[in-house]
Amino acid sequence: DTAVSQTPKYLVTQMGNDKSIKCEQNLGHDTMYWYKQDSKKFLKIMFSYNNKELIINETVPNRFSPKSPDKAHLNLHINSLELGDSAVYFCASTKQWPRRSHEQYFGPGTRLTVT
Amino acid sequence: QQQVKQSPQSLIVQKGGISIINCAYENTAFDYFPWYQQFPGKGPALLIAIRPDVSEKKEGRFTISFNKSAKQFSLHIMDSQPGDSATYFCAARTGSARQLTFGSGTQLTVLP
Repeated sequence: DTAVSQTPKYLVTQMGNDKSIKCEQNLGHDTMYWYKQDSKKFLKIMFSYNNKELIINETVPNRFSPKSPDKAHLNLHINSLELGDSAVYFCASTKQWPRRSHEQYFGPGTRLTVT
Repeated sequence: QQQVKQSPQSLIVQKGGISIINCAYENTAFDYFPWYQQFPGKGPALLIAIRPDVSEKKEGRFTISFNKSAKQFSLHIMDSQPGDSATYFCAARTGSARQLTFGSGTQLTVLP
């Protein structure tokens, strides 16, 4: 029943490791996003994919690499993890058309802790 | 550069009171202004939204007031309840990717 799901919910790892977060939506949406929420709860967009194509790539270190195998999935791979990467990462999705449709549906988040 | 400024950072209201959260934006290209509600350990969820050609939108106890000339919008929660205690984010959308720019959030606590 979950509209946007993420795995894992919690991720604790050491500096320098490589990790992935997976996201899936069953809403039939064509656009998916990754957001980062820092310790002060500030939400900032990282990436957006539309029909498996990257359309937004904010100023994010190239250690972060999104991959969209199909419209329903958007994964986030992070190389050489740093302490500053500790945050909650949210996946979201929406439908581009009709343009008046608007809601972005968010997943439950993945809390990443780098030690 | 923060394009959507939100205040206050935290708000404490008595049950039954009115909660008011304000946001201001700079980019006139924004075409849609949603408010999201986030409970601890959960993802943000759309609460209510407004388009810039409308000055007010009401859904139950939640009302958005929008002032296009001042580039400001606000969320009013009438008859605030303890269950409304959450973090509220205003946001603004722009671009073909429908990118959302979020405000910094307001932690609302409604006392019983």
